[in-house]
Amino acid sequence: NAGVTQTPKFRILKIGQSMTLQCTQDMNHNYMYWYRQDPGMGLKLIYYSVGAGITDKGEVPNGYNVSRSTTEDFPLRLELAAPSQTSVYFCASSFQTGGYGYTFGSGTRLTVV
Amino acid sequence: EDQVTQSPEALRLQEGESSSLNCSYTVSGLRGLFWYRQDPGKGPEFLFTLYSAGEEKEKERLKATLTKKESFLHITAPKPEDSATYLCAVEAGTASKLTFGTGTRLQVTL
Repeated sequence: NAGVTQTPKFRILKIGQSMTLQCTQDMNHNYMYWYRQDPGMGLKLIYYSVGAGITDKGEVPNGYNVSRSTTEDFPLRLELAAPSQTSVYFCASSFQTGGYGYTFGSGTRLTVV
Repeated sequence: EDQVTQSPEALRLQEGESSSLNCSYTVSGLRGLFWYRQDPGKGPEFLFTLYSAGEEKEKERLKATLTKKESFLHITAPKPEDSATYLCAVEAGTASKLTFGTGTRLQVTL
């Protein structure tokens, strides 16, 4: 049981490049989330999904896109990378809401130069 | 808008020196308050969920309590392996998502 798997672990992008952060979970969780974590700022929600085919914006969605074609996968797309997107990105999943703890991946550290 | 504030930002304890971390929150319709532990370079790890004022939960040297305005994470006789950042989060209203505080960075020394 791998839990939540994120790839890559590290990436350096040049300004204007694009990339996809991959997230896969094998727990059959309906809910999936993307957060970014900046020093001293806490975790900020980018996008989330309550099931396959359903996505919604979080607190900081600008510059990102997501899709959820299967229960297992929830990729995060960065278009036209900017230095402000330098951060650590975490994917998480949950069986349902109402008190169920999230399971987090190990993160992707992204630097945009 | 849901708000979560954690204090202190950082705390340094000697092994065996008990203390408490604070999480104050402002939400409309609390459905759950969560505590997570995060080690450097890793994702947060779920510790507890508290649902209503007066509730308490324990795990080893950690005990979490909840009132209508705040939660405390009490650490009794901490060990160096308890060193980590402790995050508090809330789920409120009809939202299917958590709002996190900025965390308390705990260091326990010998």
